[in-house]
Formats: sequence, structure tokens, C-alpha cells
Amino acid sequence: KAGVTQTPRYLIKTRGQQVTLSCSPISGHRSVSWYQQTPGQGLQFLFEYFSETQRNKGNFPGRFSGRQFSNSRSEMNVSTLELGDSALYLCASSPRQGANEKLFFGSGTQLSVL
Amino acid sequence: EDKVVQSPLSLVVHEGDTVTLNCSYEVTNFRSLLWYKQEKKAPTFLFMLTSSGIEKKSGRLSSILDKKELFSILNITATQTGDSAIYLCAVVSQGGSEKLVFGKGTKLTVNP
Repeated sequence: KAGVTQTPRYLIKTRGQQVTLSCSPISGHRSVSWYQQTPGQGLQFLFEYFSETQRNKGNFPGRFSGRQFSNSRSEMNVSTLELGDSALYLCASSPRQGANEKLFFGSGTQLSVL
Repeated sequence: EDKVVQSPLSLVVHEGDTVTLNCSYEVTNFRSLLWYKQEKKAPTFLFMLTSSGIEKKSGRLSSILDKKELFSILNITATQTGDSAIYLCAVVSQGGSEKLVFGKGTKLTVNP
């Protein structure tokens, strides 16, 4: 079974631009969660999607948004990029909705904002 | 505010040593505690603990939860260089909706 696939692996953007990151979950997994990881803050929850609906959201500004498609693939968008958005963005999938599940993580997208 | 604190933040040991990683938490309505290992980029699942005092084991790794004192430990015996990684502790809380709160991790380096 293929694992969680995230694309692209690396991205370099400038302040003010927007970016879209993609995540393909493990086949059969319907829940996709997104996390931001920085050296100072560690892993922080962005949002969770299940059956194409956002089920839970972390404490991030509205510039961070996402969606999930009928095949469970998910995209995350960050608009008006700021220097502080530089981070590793990790996607995780699980068969069921909710935080109380074993998560399967992708290798992440490393975003650098210049 | 939910909080998960891991200690130490980093640790350097020699192959063969035994290490203990700590995770303490303060969360609303605890549901479970999870340990993940992050080598390079993708964290991988190690353990999920929900009951106090019951040790989970997988090879040289073991973990136990103390719900009264609000902490967990992850033990690694006879460490190998392949154990070098960041070990992440996360707690599931239920305050309204379920949340998974991560600690900042412990970076373990095992030298030959």
C-alpha cells in the first residue's frame, strides 16, 4: 500500500505570494489532517478534513485554508505569505475522523518564504 | 490552554546506553497519549496509551502512562545509531472537539 504522498517536497516563495500544497492519503483513508512544524513551536494542528468537510480547525489565521476532494485527496492553501510561514507542512491520514487515531504522516512540504 | 512538555529537548548518548524520555501534560479531558518517532521528515507511530500503569512494548522500546501524575515516559534500551531521531509526544484532549496537542520533541542522537 502506498503511503501518504505530499507534493511538492520543497517550495520557495516570496512574501505576499500564495501557495498550494497537495496531499494524497493512504488508499481507504478518509481523514486528512494538516500540521505546521517549526523549530520554535513544534508541530501545530492546522485543520482536519473528513468526507470533504472541515471537521476541526486549529488557531491559525484565515490565510490558511484547505479543502478535500471526493477521492480524499486534500489541498492546503496559504495566501499573502509571511516570513513566519516558513515551515515544514505535514499531512497525515487515518481511516476514521478524530484526533484519537493513529496517524500516518507524509514526508512534508518544506516551505521557505523569502 | 492545553500544554504538552517534553524533556530533555536534546540528548546525546553512546550506542548501548539506555535512555528515558519524558512527557508531561496539562489538557482538558484527557483521552490518550501517543508517541511518534521522526527521522528526517515523516513521523511514524510508536505507541498509543490510554490506561495508567500498563506498559506498551515494542522490541527495545517501551512506554508507560501515569494519569494521576500526568506524565508518560518512553524508554529505549541498548540504543543503536538508528534510534537517532526526534521523539514526539502528543496528547488527545476533548474540550468541545477533539484536539491533538504535540510537545516540541526530544532530539536523540546515538553515537557509535
